[in-house]
Amino acid sequence: GENVEQHPSTLSVQEGDSAVIKCTYSDSASNYFPWYKQELGKRPQLIIDIRSNVGEKKDQRIAVTLNKTAKHFSLHITETQPEDSAVYFCAASIKGVKAAGNKLTFGGGTRVLVKP
Amino acid sequence: DVKVTQSSRYLVKRTGEKVFLECVQDMDHENMFWYRQDPGLGLRLIYFSYDVKMKEKGDIPEGYSVSREKKERFSLILESASTNQTSMYLCASSLRTGGTNEKLFFGSGTQLSVL
Repeated sequence: GENVEQHPSTLSVQEGDSAVIKCTYSDSASNYFPWYKQELGKRPQLIIDIRSNVGEKKDQRIAVTLNKTAKHFSLHITETQPEDSAVYFCAASIKGVKAAGNKLTFGGGTRVLVKP
Repeated sequence: DVKVTQSSRYLVKRTGEKVFLECVQDMDHENMFWYRQDPGLGLRLIYFSYDVKMKEKGDIPEGYSVSREKKERFSLILESASTNQTSMYLCASSLRTGGTNEKLFFGSGTQLSVL
């Protein structure tokens, strides 16, 4: 099955600096790559996703890049703010041939701390 | 907004007890999922269901079973709880796709401690 590895496990940055989190996946058939953010004591929420037919996607201060050849994708947060402090999870899935929805495989998570 | 509700925020059980974790969603989603969250291991899929009475094993189904008798409700059952099942359990739901929207909506989680 799919295996997703995520690095680093913790990341400390100064407010205003950039943060980058990297993930690799094992199954070349994976075609959907979401990122979830989980603030302390709260539920994970989708912040951005990318599909295998594009190489980059941006949404304000966050961006995701995908390299299908190397089977890795990354989350970039620019101009970090204290509210960016959270645990971030990458995930990968293969769209099922039956209408059963996607089975997401998550990375181990990155705890990001933005220091004021 | 989608609401996914888990019946308990904290639960303490003894080894060998049968444990039921309940999850209800109010947006008519076809897909429902149970994950467990452990530090450094991310979210690992236990079971999922894409229709009433349908279930499929995830990556770590051993020691668990599930029940989906109604579309809005998905239950996780620990037949005989063990200490290694101490964890945060997260329920999630999503629309059935064939299309484009695979967004997961999570519940707030149940922190289960097995003593």
